[in-house]
Amino acid sequence: DSGVTQTPKHLITATGQRVTLRCSPRSGDLSVYWYQQSLDQGLQFLIHYYNGEERAKGNILERFSAQQFPDLHSELNLSSLELGDSALYFCASSALSGATDTQYFGPGTRLTVL
Amino acid sequence: QKEVEQDPGPLSVPEGAIVSLNCTYSNSAFQYFMWYRQYSRKGPELLMYTYSSGNKEDGRFTAQVDKSSKYISLFIRDSQPSDSATYLCAMSYYSGYSTLTFGKGTMLLVSP
Repeated sequence: DSGVTQTPKHLITATGQRVTLRCSPRSGDLSVYWYQQSLDQGLQFLIHYYNGEERAKGNILERFSAQQFPDLHSELNLSSLELGDSALYFCASSALSGATDTQYFGPGTRLTVL
Repeated sequence: QKEVEQDPGPLSVPEGAIVSLNCTYSNSAFQYFMWYRQYSRKGPELLMYTYSSGNKEDGRFTAQVDKSSKYISLFIRDSQPSDSATYLCAMSYYSGYSTLTFGKGTMLLVSP
């Protein structure tokens, strides 16, 4: 158990809908990262927050947004969902924000868009 | 061409074999190299990280980086069925930049 929690574990929804994925980092960790994992694209970095501020953006679509709250939990919002958004979404946390800070991954949320 | 290439496998070996897993990359700016292990239906977990070129050993695992060839390897000695998982390489540019670029992963199957 990495200490990172993600809810829900599974989510099934329809095209055009909006969903919110939630992540609670390990106690004391200030950084939260969101990743998308699909069979064809692999694990892709979406966005990084450090202590409430956005630090880096990766291949995140405009339909997706995220935020980190004062209690350091984070939410990833996915809107106008398309079939191609079906994937595993992982959250990871680390103590600080450097490359040498180990990122601890949560168990993931499996999103299925029908 | 993707920034990081990794053979998806599966790589099937008998218990006790030495396993070699590899990644190639195209961007010479990568300086930090990691190997993550991902069991089925779980999140990735960090196995090892190395900085720049050279070797690093941790128990049965050895990570090698050859920056001149843009090639990294993970060796597993005395492989066990519990090593059966997908192994992902990951890379980052410099110490203050924490964004990781991952390979797609190699599935390893170790049979008893």
